[in-house]
Amino acid sequence: NAGVTQTPKFQVLKTGQSMTLQCAQDMNHNSMYWYRQDPGMGLRLIYYSASEGTTDKGEVPNGYNVSRLNKREFSLRLESAAPSQTSVYFCASSDRGSTGELFFGEGSRLTVL
Amino acid sequence: SQQGEEDPQALSIQEGENATMNCSYKTSINNLQWYRQNSGRGLVHLILIRSNEREKHSGRLRVTLDTSKKSSSLLITASRAADTASYFCATEGGSNYKLTFGKGTLLTVNP
Repeated sequence: NAGVTQTPKFQVLKTGQSMTLQCAQDMNHNSMYWYRQDPGMGLRLIYYSASEGTTDKGEVPNGYNVSRLNKREFSLRLESAAPSQTSVYFCASSDRGSTGELFFGEGSRLTVL
Repeated sequence: SQQGEEDPQALSIQEGENATMNCSYKTSINNLQWYRQNSGRGLVHLILIRSNEREKHSGRLRVTLDTSKKSSSLLITASRAADTASYFCATEGGSNYKLTFGKGTLLTVNP
């Protein structure tokens, strides 16, 4: 049972380049989330998807777009990367209506030069 | 903005001692959760306490919740070197199932 899988684990971009972070979960969870973690800032919610077909902005959505491709997959896209988007990105999923516990992936470390 | 704020930011203890971390939050909540993060890894759920609960236990973990003071504490008893990690509280309010995390407490347990 893989849980939440994120790809890539590491990525270096130049300012202005675009990329997509992929996330997939195999727990049949309804809700999926993208967080970023910066030193001294804890985790901040970028976007979330409460259920398949819906997405909503979190605390820091500017510069990002998301796609809930199906129930399993939730991708995060940076259209024009900026140095301020250098961070560790975490995808998570949860089963709405249950405990509300989040299951996290191992993270994607992104550096924008 | 962060909902939960952990205190202290860092805590260093000896193996076998108890570790206590505190979390304060600002608005009403449905539940409060604690997570652990080992260096370079994803977060792992430890325990959830609902707003109508005052105390909960899980193994060596004890969590309390005081909704009148908008605060929670996590106690790890008989700590081990393997407990070295960052610990985060997360609050959920409203009906949107979003969790808001604090900045975390870095716990170091020295052998």
